[in-house]
Amino acid sequence: NAGVTQTPKFRILKIGQSMTLQCAQDMNHNYMYWYRQDPGMGLKLIYYSVGAGITDKGEVPNGYNVSRSTTEDFPLRLELAAPSQTSVYFCASSYLGLFSGNTIYFGEGSWLTVV
Amino acid sequence: GQQVMQIPQYQHVQEGEDFTTYCNSSTTLSNIQWYKQRPGGHPVFLIQLVKSGEVKKQKRLTFQFGEAKKNSSLHITATQTTDVGTYFCAVGETSGSRLTFGEGTQLTVNP
Repeated sequence: NAGVTQTPKFRILKIGQSMTLQCAQDMNHNYMYWYRQDPGMGLKLIYYSVGAGITDKGEVPNGYNVSRSTTEDFPLRLELAAPSQTSVYFCASSYLGLFSGNTIYFGEGSWLTVV
Repeated sequence: GQQVMQIPQYQHVQEGEDFTTYCNSSTTLSNIQWYKQRPGGHPVFLIQLVKSGEVKKQKRLTFQFGEAKKNSSLHITATQTTDVGTYFCAVGETSGSRLTFGEGTQLTVNP
């Protein structure tokens, strides 16, 4: 199993450009999440999904969009990149909800710089 | 959503010293999870606590959940350089579908 795979690992965007961060998991997990982590800070939830076709907003959804057409994939779309979106983005997944004592697995992160 | 305060923000210790980080909430928590993130790495799940007063151990790490389920602590005995990293607590929403992270405690260990 590869676990949670994120691409790209590093990306530099110009202000106003758009891009998609890809996330795939091969563990047949129902729950998937996107977090962002600013330098020296904790993780903030952007969007999450409890299953294919179902997504919901987290704490900081503005400027982002997601889709979940399959169980495996959960891409994060930045439509008009802004410097405030410079951050490290982590995708994560878990089999059941977070009450069930299940481990939440994180991808290795995508470092995004907007200039 | 749930709010948690984590203290201290930074902790520098000599190798062999003990280390403790605390996570506090103003509301009763259903559960709490702890994660470790090495510099430049991704968070790695350590443990989940659910029961009031629960204590769990993983080798030199001891995790506690307060009796009122409003606070938790992570204690490391005799730190090693491999313990370097940021330790986060995270609390779950009632629905179980969202996890809110504390700001983390960054631990450095001087050899």
